[in-house]
Formats: sequence, structure tokens, C-alpha cells
Amino acid sequence: DAGVIQSPRHEVTEMGQEVTLRCKPISGHDYLFWYRQTMMRGLELLIYFNNNVPIDDSGMPEDRFSAKMPNASFSTLKIQPSEPRDSAVYFCASRGGRRSEKLFFGSGTQLSVL
Amino acid sequence: AQTVTQSQPEMSVQEAETVTLSCTYDTSESDYYLFWYKQPPSRQMILVIRQEAYKQQNATENRFSVNFQKAAKSFSLKISDSQLGDAAMYFCARSIQGAQKLVFGQGTRLTINP
Repeated sequence: DAGVIQSPRHEVTEMGQEVTLRCKPISGHDYLFWYRQTMMRGLELLIYFNNNVPIDDSGMPEDRFSAKMPNASFSTLKIQPSEPRDSAVYFCASRGGRRSEKLFFGSGTQLSVL
Repeated sequence: AQTVTQSQPEMSVQEAETVTLSCTYDTSESDYYLFWYKQPPSRQMILVIRQEAYKQQNATENRFSVNFQKAAKSFSLKISDSQLGDAAMYFCARSIQGAQKLVFGQGTRLTINP
């Protein structure tokens, strides 16, 4: 298996533009997580899905952020409109059904909003 | 609060020596899981070691071991025979029962001196 695949690896955009980050989880994993990493706040959980259904989106910072999982092999995180404070590394991670199982992380998307 | 605290922002150690990274956490639960993740400059998050809270025996993975003190809510990571490839950010994380998600500490940057 190729692991969790995220695209793009880097994204540079201007304030006000729409940004879409993409994630393909490991086949067979029931859970998908979106994390954001910044120097100030560390790793924050934004939202997670179970069997394609959003379970907890309490970490989504505001309405400008939205996430979808239309099927078991694809998820998106969208920011519209983007702001400079959204600049961060965004990680997608997936996991099997048991809480004890490890999270498999993608390589992350480095987002820079100018 | 469901926090994970890593009190050492930075640590350094001589190659081949032993270093211990500290982690404490806050919880009212009895059943949970603890993890240490490594993030090298490549940005990839890699699971180092995992501990189940109901197990008294400390987990060990080759040169990596933990000192799990449940009553003190402490979960330190010991790296023996440090190698240059161990240089990375290390994150402690705890699962939240029922919520299926991980909460991460702020990280400790480990430098290995040749």
C-alpha cells in the first residue's frame, strides 16, 4: 500500500482565494482525520470521519473551513476564502477501527497564504 | 482539560548516549492509549512506540522504551544509544476514550551531537 496520499505537497495562494487540499486514505481504514500544525498551536485536530461520516468537527476554526468525504477513498479540506493566518501544514491521517491502532499520516500540505 | 504537556521544547544528546523526553497528561479516564510520534525534517509523522494504559508493563521497541507512571500521569520516552537519525521533533499523544481521536503535546525538538 502506498500509504496516505496528500496533494498538493505545497500550496501558495493569495488571501481571499479558495484552497482545496486532498487526501486518499489507506484502503480499508475506517477513520480519517484532518490535523493542522503550526508553531504556535502545535498539532490540532480539525475534523474526523468514520465510514465517510463526519463525527467531530469541533476543531474546525470557522465557517471558512469545510471538509467532505464523498467516498471511502477520498477526502477534501476546503478553505474559502483563505487568510494569511491559515498558513500551516495540514495533515491527513487514517486508521483502522480499533482505538489502539496507530494513525498513518500523509506527508502533509504546506499551505502559504500571502 | 484534556491536555498533553511536553515541558522540554528542546533537548540535545551526544551520539551513542541515552536521552529521556518527558510527557505528562491530564485525564479522568482509566482506559486510554499513549503514543510517541517522531517527525523528522521530512515532515512525515512516524509512530515510535505505543502504550496501553491498562498494561503495567512498559512498552519497548528496540532502542526506544517508555516509563509509564499511570498514577502520576507521566509517559516519558527513553532513547538508548542515540543515533544521528534520531534527530527530529517528538510528539507525545493520548487517545480520548469514545471520541477515537488523539490529542498531541507541543513537541520536543531533539538534536543529536556527533
